[in-house]
Amino acid sequence: KTQVEQSPQSLVVRQGENCVLQCNYSVTPDNHLRWFKQDTGKGLVSLTVLVDQKDKTSNGRYSATLDKDAKHSTLHITATLLDDTATYICVVGPNSGTYQRFGTGTKLQVVP
Amino acid sequence: EAAVTQSPRSKVAVTGGKVTLSCHQTNNHDYMYWYRQDTGHGLRLIHYSYVADSTEKGDIPDGYKASRPSQENFSLILELASLSQTAVYFCASSDRGRSAETLYFGSGTRLTVL
Repeated sequence: KTQVEQSPQSLVVRQGENCVLQCNYSVTPDNHLRWFKQDTGKGLVSLTVLVDQKDKTSNGRYSATLDKDAKHSTLHITATLLDDTATYICVVGPNSGTYQRFGTGTKLQVVP
Repeated sequence: EAAVTQSPRSKVAVTGGKVTLSCHQTNNHDYMYWYRQDTGHGLRLIHYSYVADSTEKGDIPDGYKASRPSQENFSLILELASLSQTAVYFCASSDRGRSAETLYFGSGTRLTVL
């Protein structure tokens, strides 16, 4: 069974619009949930990390929430730019890279 | 800014051949990891290392070896490449001492086995 499920699989939005990406997981322990951005042909770059039972973070136009009771996280992107076109990956696990579990990602395309 | 560099960026190998993927980090991080990325799958951990001259198996180690000759360098070795090992391979490093360690990734190596 997939331990980290992301939805939608893909998404197309117009520049300037807002969008919400979802991450549901069954991973334990879930000490940390991190969102990464992966540009085409590039490595993953961390956007934000959530650690508390009910957590919220903000990083510029990116904001994220986590509810560990529901095992659910969201990534909000406000006023999208063309450069936001990328795959966004949710990663869940303990405080160790060796046990973290990766979602398959949401492929976001921002069009003019 | 943390830096992880992988080489080569892409490689075509023949079935049964030996392939070595290299990774170099300038972050002074103790931990290094090798992942593979396949369409429809999240990244999966192949091998990792937390100290030079020592490597550990990850979730999918079969068919792969790893080598950590120094803190900065970590290699992934496919002794007998197979078609199923066609994938994009990512190296990453992390600072184990941090409370919420961030993984820093290289740009990946696209391996095609024919």
